[in-house]
Amino acid sequence: AQKVTQAQTEISVVEKEDVTLDCVYETRDTTYYLFWYKQPPSGELVFLIRRNSFDEQNEISGRYSWNFQKSTSSFNFTITASQVVDSAVYFCALLTGTASKLTFGTGTRLQVTL
Amino acid sequence: GAVVSQHPSRVICKSGTSVKIECRSLDFQATTMFWYRQFPKQSLMLMATSNEGSKATYEQGVEKDKFLINHASLTLSTLTVTSAHPEDSSFYICSASGVAGGSTDTQYFGPGTRLTVL
Repeated sequence: AQKVTQAQTEISVVEKEDVTLDCVYETRDTTYYLFWYKQPPSGELVFLIRRNSFDEQNEISGRYSWNFQKSTSSFNFTITASQVVDSAVYFCALLTGTASKLTFGTGTRLQVTL
Repeated sequence: GAVVSQHPSRVICKSGTSVKIECRSLDFQATTMFWYRQFPKQSLMLMATSNEGSKATYEQGVEKDKFLINHASLTLSTLTVTSAHPEDSSFYICSASGVAGGSTDTQYFGPGTRLTVL
């Protein structure tokens, strides 16, 4: 069975602080894909990143960076110098060939204040 | 690229009526579309998966006669909530995959439809 755990329910930071959102996954498949999606107050889920299980290279995209560690089954997401526009719910998700459907974590609500 | 639209964005209806929600992939052919339901402050719950031209596969506990799904073309899927009741009030989100092809393709989500049944 597939499972995604986002232990942080809510995080509140002041603008310009760095923040890391944790994601831990469980699967017995050797081939799988990990995703992060952002859901702002408008409701639409915005795709941020996709990572396959064979690529452990960390990725940076502007203020966003992702740390994938198979040894700890984690795929953490860091926002550097956070901004108010980063306020949203962030979902980590897992996709395997066996399940062929996304397994979502419960989401982390990030609140960035001035 | 990979834009998915959903219509309407918001609908209010009386109990007992049926409501149709459309999901369209605007710039790619979606071999597979998914329908989710999201309650306030909760994660997404997959309702069903549909492939173009075939019957939808419903998740356990989802009434297929209540939530009719049609995936008539590679760019359009519809969800009809039949005889809606207040407990059907929720945020419904569709997603589509097919940009790269394959069952493990990335899903791109629509903006969602907020349904309120009075």
